[in-house]
Amino acid sequence: DAKTTQPPSMDCAEGRAANLPCNHSTISGNEYVYWYRQIHSQGPQYIIHGLKNNETNEMASLIITEDRKSSTLILPHATLRDTAVYYCIVRPQGYSTLTFGKGTMLLVSP
Amino acid sequence: DSGVTQTPKHLITATGQRVTLRCSPRSGDLSVYWYQQSLDQGLQFLIQYYNGEERAKGNILERFSAQQFPDLHSELNLSSLELGDSALYFCASSVQAGRTDTQYFGPGTRLTVL
Repeated sequence: DAKTTQPPSMDCAEGRAANLPCNHSTISGNEYVYWYRQIHSQGPQYIIHGLKNNETNEMASLIITEDRKSSTLILPHATLRDTAVYYCIVRPQGYSTLTFGKGTMLLVSP
Repeated sequence: DSGVTQTPKHLITATGQRVTLRCSPRSGDLSVYWYQQSLDQGLQFLIQYYNGEERAKGNILERFSAQQFPDLHSELNLSSLELGDSALYFCASSVQAGRTDTQYFGPGTRLTVL
């Protein structure tokens, strides 16, 4: 399985962009990068996923480097409700399950 | 709201007992997954069912079992409960069972074993 490395915690001011990095240097060519978040003991919430190209949806943008060894999740205008643990997950070939690491605790402050 | 429902929200029981957790997937989803989240282990995959059949198994104890019924709802049965089984149990569902299918999680069941 491709492993991911994320900083344990990050801070962001409300209204500013939150850029959450993820390293996945052992990723294989056909493995997707997924991002989920978990707001205090609630069920994990899907944010976005991508393979090679940058992706954007109503929640966030996902920037994947050309060599695919790292990615960045961007929340363009963070709000207090974005305070959560953010998980970067690489989905192994042939497996449909998700392997969660420790994630990044993002604290958005006023 | 993800569309995945789980009951009950909270469950308090004693060691040695047996409990059943229930999950209703999103309308149209054929695949159901169960995850356990404890303080020391984080979020761990337990088991997956697809259209009534077991598809994948993770770190599920032999004391635990699951099934998916013809109406696609799923139940996770936990028996001979131990203190260490206290955790949040999440169910997720997806349309199919492929690796690109997005999983949507329910709100979870908090199990406390006393």
